[in-house]
Amino acid sequence: NAGVTQTPKFQVLKTGQSMTLQCAQDMNHNSMYWYRQDPGMGLRLIYYSASEGTTDKGEVPNGYNVSRLNKREFSLRLESAAPSQTSVYFCASSSSNTEAFFGQGTRLTVV
Amino acid sequence: GEDVEQSLFLSVREGDSSVINCTYTDSSSTYLYWYKQEPGAGLQLLTYIFSNMDMKQDQRLTVLLNKKDKHLSLRIADTQTGDSAIYFCADLNDYKLSFGAGTTVTVRA
Repeated sequence: NAGVTQTPKFQVLKTGQSMTLQCAQDMNHNSMYWYRQDPGMGLRLIYYSASEGTTDKGEVPNGYNVSRLNKREFSLRLESAAPSQTSVYFCASSSSNTEAFFGQGTRLTVV
Repeated sequence: GEDVEQSLFLSVREGDSSVINCTYTDSSSTYLYWYKQEPGAGLQLLTYIFSNMDMKQDQRLTVLLNKKDKHLSLRIADTQTGDSAIYFCADLNDYKLSFGAGTTVTVRA
């Protein structure tokens, strides 16, 4: 049972480069989320998707785009990476009003 | 997040009880959660409470919810060294799951 799978686990980017973080869940969950975690700031919601075909901005959406490709997959794209986007990124999924399951995180460094 | 607030640090002696507090702003939150994160790992759900409940107990964990004051607490009885971690409070409102900044709990011998 894979749960929530994020790739890659680690990434180093140069300022201005683009990349896509992938997330997939095999639990048939409707809702999926992307968070970033920074020291002393907890998890801040970047974007979420309540169901396939919908996406909504969270607290800190600037500099990111998302795509809910299908029910299983929710990707996060950085079009032009900046050092301020150095963080640990977590993807999560949940069915309505129940526990959210988290991936293991992607540690991104932008130099 | 700005909708959920927690104190940042708690130090507790092994064997004592730990109490971690959280306040949230949205009165229409349906579920409230406590997650645990160990170093270098993802988040693990500890327990959750539905918004129409006042209390939930699960082994060493007790969750208290004061809906009037929008205050949530997590009590860990007989705290052990393995309980050292960051604890996050979260609330779910209209599919949006928001987290506090996390409370780092350090258990000392």
